[in-house]
Amino acid sequence: QSALTQPRSVSGSPGQSVTISCAGTNSDVGAYNFVSWYQQHPGKAPKLMIYDVSKRPSGVPDRFSGSKSGNTASLTISGLQAEDEADYYCCSYAGSASWVFGGGTKLAVL
Amino acid sequence: EVQLVESGGGLVQVGGSLRLSCAVSGFNFNTYSMNWVRQAPGKGLEWVSNIGSDSRPAYYADSVKGRFTISRDSAKNSLYLQMNSLRDEDTAVYYCVRDYQFNIDYWGQGTLVTVSS
Repeated sequence: QSALTQPRSVSGSPGQSVTISCAGTNSDVGAYNFVSWYQQHPGKAPKLMIYDVSKRPSGVPDRFSGSKSGNTASLTISGLQAEDEADYYCCSYAGSASWVFGGGTKLAVL
Repeated sequence: EVQLVESGGGLVQVGGSLRLSCAVSGFNFNTYSMNWVRQAPGKGLEWVSNIGSDSRPAYYADSVKGRFTISRDSAKNSLYLQMNSLRDEDTAVYYCVRDYQFNIDYWGQGTLVTVSS
């Protein structure tokens, strides 16, 4: 499968909100409500931030929210904090026990 | 506490083989489907392979099909990835990850595989 499409970079000032988009197809994002988002700091393993499109695991701040419309999913981070600066990846189940990731978005907190 | 600890990475020549292992703890390994995901240096994440809770079936990304084999040992709470005919483009950090109801939730710390000619 082809990778999901994310912007290469986004930025925002502390306290602002940013939204990262994740465009897929009707074979992955559009077909399943199994979209997840991961935060990755340099040299670290990815951390699950959102699953099932909009659910937050225990311990993830409610500043992080997810949504989906058609073949495009989105991650919104409100009240930006310095520690939110990281790479963010979306992921969708694509059927037949396979998954597809986005290319990643670098978030800069200015 | 859920833990996934990979091992077995290293430097290998093009065409060579390597076997990665992942020791898991903190959850009932026998009831979860498991995956390997990789990340080439400075690049994004790529799903590699999945194995069901009962070891069958196994699925692979087209990029590794026919060269990599995923397996698991419930007695040892361990996941494996046998990698043969390695290529330059297989150079990556390989992560052992858990499938929670079609979402990848927990990740290991990763093990680096470097394929050199």
